[in-house]
Amino acid sequence: GQQVMQIPQYQHVQEGEDFTTYCNSSTTLSNIQWYKQRPGGHPVFLIQLVKSGEVKKQKRLTFQFGEAKKNSSLHITATQTTDVGTYFCAGHAGGTSYGKLTFGQGTILTVHP
Amino acid sequence: DAGVTQSPTHLIKTRGQHVTLRCSPISGHKSVSWYQQVLGQGPQFIFQYYEKEERGRGNFPDRFSARQFPNYSSELNVNALLLGDSALYLCASSLVPDNSPLHFGNGTRLTVT
Repeated sequence: GQQVMQIPQYQHVQEGEDFTTYCNSSTTLSNIQWYKQRPGGHPVFLIQLVKSGEVKKQKRLTFQFGEAKKNSSLHITATQTTDVGTYFCAGHAGGTSYGKLTFGQGTILTVHP
Repeated sequence: DAGVTQSPTHLIKTRGQHVTLRCSPISGHKSVSWYQQVLGQGPQFIFQYYEKEERGRGNFPDRFSARQFPNYSSELNVNALLLGDSALYLCASSLVPDNSPLHFGNGTRLTVT
């Protein structure tokens, strides 16, 4: 079945440093979504990428979708303590998988002030 | 507008027992999905319902079942509980079932002893 892998599993940074997490799917995706989960919380939708090679920005966050629609990345510039949490990518395979999202295992980000 | 609401928030059950978890979607959302999140992992897809019909089922045993009601709320039932069923059960709603961002509830923390 479809697998989505994320690296790194953990990332510790000093406040102000940049952060990047990478996501790779075993199959081509119709779209990819990114979620953030704060400690003790639930996943919160950040963004959806649909087109091959698409790049989207949200303030300090930059999201990319690979040309082959099998990989994606999230880059945070100048991290802040409010960025702490687990970042998940989640892919839609499309076709008969309907609305099933396959999540990666997440990257846990800690930011030291 | 209220977000996705789930009940109960916490539950402790004994092996072999049965559990029912409940979810009310965001007003206007007709699709409800259920995910299981084990500590340290990404959410895993269990079911998706749309207009009271099952649209997708993940790789979970038949002990797991669900339904959606005319008001679009949903129940997840798990029979013959095992220790390995201990997890955070997340309900998510979306406007439509395909390729839509998911809005998660706070989840039900199930502990099986």
